[in-house]
Amino acid sequence: KAGVTQTPRYLIKTRGQQVTLSCSPISGHRSVSWYQQTPGQGLQFLFEYFSETQRNKGNFPGRFSGRQFSNSRSEMNVSTLELGDSALYLCASSLVGGASETQYFGPGTRLLVL
Amino acid sequence: GNSVTQMEGPVTLSEEAFLTINCTYTATGYPSLFWYVQYPGEGLQLLLKATKADDKGSNKGFEATYRKETTSFHLEKGSVQVSDSAVYFCALSDALTGNQFYFGTGTSLTVIP
Repeated sequence: KAGVTQTPRYLIKTRGQQVTLSCSPISGHRSVSWYQQTPGQGLQFLFEYFSETQRNKGNFPGRFSGRQFSNSRSEMNVSTLELGDSALYLCASSLVGGASETQYFGPGTRLLVL
Repeated sequence: GNSVTQMEGPVTLSEEAFLTINCTYTATGYPSLFWYVQYPGEGLQLLLKATKADDKGSNKGFEATYRKETTSFHLEKGSVQVSDSAVYFCALSDALTGNQFYFGTGTSLTVIP
């Protein structure tokens, strides 16, 4: 089975712009979660989607949003970019998102905001 | 609330040395516990997991036992190799707070020949 894929792998944007990141989960997986990884804050949960519905959300401002399509692919969008949004954004998928399920991570999208 | 406290790094060991990375947790309910590994430039890979107290997870020579009495899930390996050099993350997932993962800060391990 193909793993979780994320596109693009690298992105450079300037402050004030917006960006959309894409994640394709493992075939058959219906839960997709997004995490932000920074040296200062570590790994922080952004949100989780299941069957096209946001089921859980972390403590991030409304500039961070996402969606999930009927084929389980997911996108996250960050509007009005700030320098502090520079990070590695990781997507993870699992079958149905149960607490004891393994989450399978993609390679990440590295975003640099200038 | 939920949180994971992980041993500070970086850790540098000689090849074939014994490895322990400490991890303790605080959880609202009955969490599942995980160890993930991240190699440079890559995402996280599951190393092992345990879903209930006294369970032992093991993989590639790594082991960790879910200790409810000490709220710990320490990672151990008897003989490390250069290829084990990576960053290791302890994480928990608790059904009472959805399936989001709470991660420790990560421990960087370097194994020298």
